Amino acid sequence: KNEVEQSPQNLTAQEGEFITINCSYSVGISALHWLQQHPGGGIVSLFMLSSGKKKHGRLIATINIQEKHSSLHITASHPRDSAVYICAVPATDSNYQLIWGAGTKLIIKP
Amino acid sequence: DAGVTQSPTHLIKTRGQQVTLRCSPISGHKSVSWYQQVLGQGPQFIFQYYEKEERGRGNFPDRFSARQFPNYSSELNVNALLLGDSALYLCASMIGTGMYEQYFGPGTRLTVT
Repeated sequence: KNEVEQSPQNLTAQEGEFITINCSYSVGISALHWLQQHPGGGIVSLFMLSSGKKKHGRLIATINIQEKHSSLHITASHPRDSAVYICAVPATDSNYQLIWGAGTKLIIKP
Repeated sequence: DAGVTQSPTHLIKTRGQQVTLRCSPISGHKSVSWYQQVLGQGPQFIFQYYEKEERGRGNFPDRFSARQFPNYSSELNVNALLLGDSALYLCASMIGTGMYEQYFGPGTRLTVT
């Protein structure tokens, strides 16, 4: 079974700071998801990536398949970025069942 | 295009009762997955359905069941509710099976008293 670890668990930063959230997993995968969950529960898929780097606005996700590690970066952070960020990977025996990290709770102060 | 919709938004039930939660996927998506998220924890996979067939099941008791209809909408049923079933139930829609991006609904918050 794939295990997923995220760090840090909690992160508080000032508006404008560069944010990095890390995700490590134990078993090789075909792709990794980064998702965002706001208070109240709604989950939004940010990225699905299998190699290299993807960028969307101020968000950048990178993955190193050999090192089994991915990072999510937020540039010029803003209070509206405050949310829980979760990485998820497929279970070793299926592609549809996702194993979720515990999440990183990010608070951006104005 | 409408996103993934779920109903109801909130629900309060008593121990021992039964509940049915509903999900409509994005138009054109044939796969629906259900997740349970207990407060403070990450989502746990319950079921995936594709083309009306169960394609995967997580580690949940038989009290949990689901089905998918010809229009690809889905229902999740939970019988003999326990206090521990209190959670946010999330539905995710995908084009197919395999490694596709998952689009989530707003969830149904179930409280069992």
